[in-house]
Amino acid sequence: QKEVEQNSGPLSVPEGAIASLNCTYSDRGSQSFFWYRQYSGKSPELIMSIYSNGDKEDGRFTAQLNKASQYVSLLIRDSQPSDSATYLCAAGYFTGGGNKLTFGTGTQLKVEL
Amino acid sequence: EPEVTQTPSHQVTQMGQEVILRCVPISNHLYFYWYRQILGQKVEFLVSFYNNEISEKSEIFDDQFSVERPDGSNFTLKIRSTKLEDSAMYFCASSERAGTSDEQFFGPGTRLTVL
Repeated sequence: QKEVEQNSGPLSVPEGAIASLNCTYSDRGSQSFFWYRQYSGKSPELIMSIYSNGDKEDGRFTAQLNKASQYVSLLIRDSQPSDSATYLCAAGYFTGGGNKLTFGTGTQLKVEL
Repeated sequence: EPEVTQTPSHQVTQMGQEVILRCVPISNHLYFYWYRQILGQKVEFLVSFYNNEISEKSEIFDDQFSVERPDGSNFTLKIRSTKLEDSAMYFCASSERAGTSDEQFFGPGTRLTVL
């Protein structure tokens, strides 16, 4: 059973601070990793993808992957109230005809004024 | 910016009825997916579709479910004889590639309520 684990939170950070979100995955066959943002009642919105060990930066977001530890993280710098949402970590497993994504339960982030 | 669209946004049906959920993936994408999210729970994979056939399906995707790409733009999920526990948000997603460089983009979802 492929699992992705996240702390459900809520994680509260003050505006302007760095928010750190973490995720672990069980399947070493997973080849791609994603962070999605989901506002209440809305669909997942892709923020970052990462495929190899190390860091990947995109604007205020940095994703980190450590395949040996089966660990993925997302850092959000200069957090804004609009960043308040649930952040979903997903691991992708290539099946030949597509990538099956396994999602975690999500971490709720609250950015406080 | 291209996006995945889904219709209807909300579908209410009686238990035992059939429903068809519709999706228009991003036009140059080749891989199509359905996921569902029961209220308060995680997003769950249902099925992936490529080259006009199912490439992977989860244990949730039993004989009650079917998918089809009836033309060059639409991708549908049919649920026969709906059950109360089918009530959920259903998301369609698409990707241009698969393997180690795919990114799946999700549609806005269809909220299915089975009464």
